[in-house]
Amino acid sequence: KQEVTQIPAALSVPEGENLVLNCSFTDSAIYNLQWFRQDPGKGLTSLLLIQSSQREQTSGRLNASLDKSSGRSTLYIAASQPGDSATYLCAVSLYGNKLVFGAGTILRVKS
Amino acid sequence: DGGITQSPKYLFRKEGQNVTLSCEQNLNHDAMYWYRQDPGQGLRLIYYSQIVNDFQKGDIAEGYSVSREKKESFPLTVTSAQKNPTAFYLCASTDLQTGDYGYTFGSGTRLTVV
Repeated sequence: KQEVTQIPAALSVPEGENLVLNCSFTDSAIYNLQWFRQDPGKGLTSLLLIQSSQREQTSGRLNASLDKSSGRSTLYIAASQPGDSATYLCAVSLYGNKLVFGAGTILRVKS
Repeated sequence: DGGITQSPKYLFRKEGQNVTLSCEQNLNHDAMYWYRQDPGQGLRLIYYSQIVNDFQKGDIAEGYSVSREKKESFPLTVTSAQKNPTAFYLCASTDLQTGDYGYTFGSGTRLTVV
């Protein structure tokens, strides 16, 4: 059974710092991996989608990498801002269907 | 703009009642999903549907029911058999035709048992 783990569970950083969020998964036979952002009491917003054949994706200050063989992905946030404060969720899909989620990393960026 | 609309935003259920959560999408996506989120936990799959008039159980389907009579709509009923229904419910969809399977989520319904 696929399991997804996110480390750390919570992170507090000063504004302007670069940071890395980690995601690991137990079954490397994934179809894709997706990073989401969730604000308190809100739905999920898709940040980056990495297909199994890709190594990384970038969007603005965000960069996500994927290493299937080791079962790991990282989300890099450059020059963090208070508006980046949210919960970040990692999810993998085995067959392009039925996402399996990690528990998330709660990020707080202090001004 | 295309997206997923969930309603209501907040829902209160008395013991023994069935309640229905609405999910509508105008993205022309084939597949739709219902997830449950509890504090400090990841999302767990309740039911999903890849085509009209067909749906499959997810990991925690007991006490829930769904229908898929139209491509745009995938309502979830929380029955009285669900012993701990208080949670945040999220609906999602994806386009099976493109092959990239990026997911779009709605804004959620918070269900509370009173």
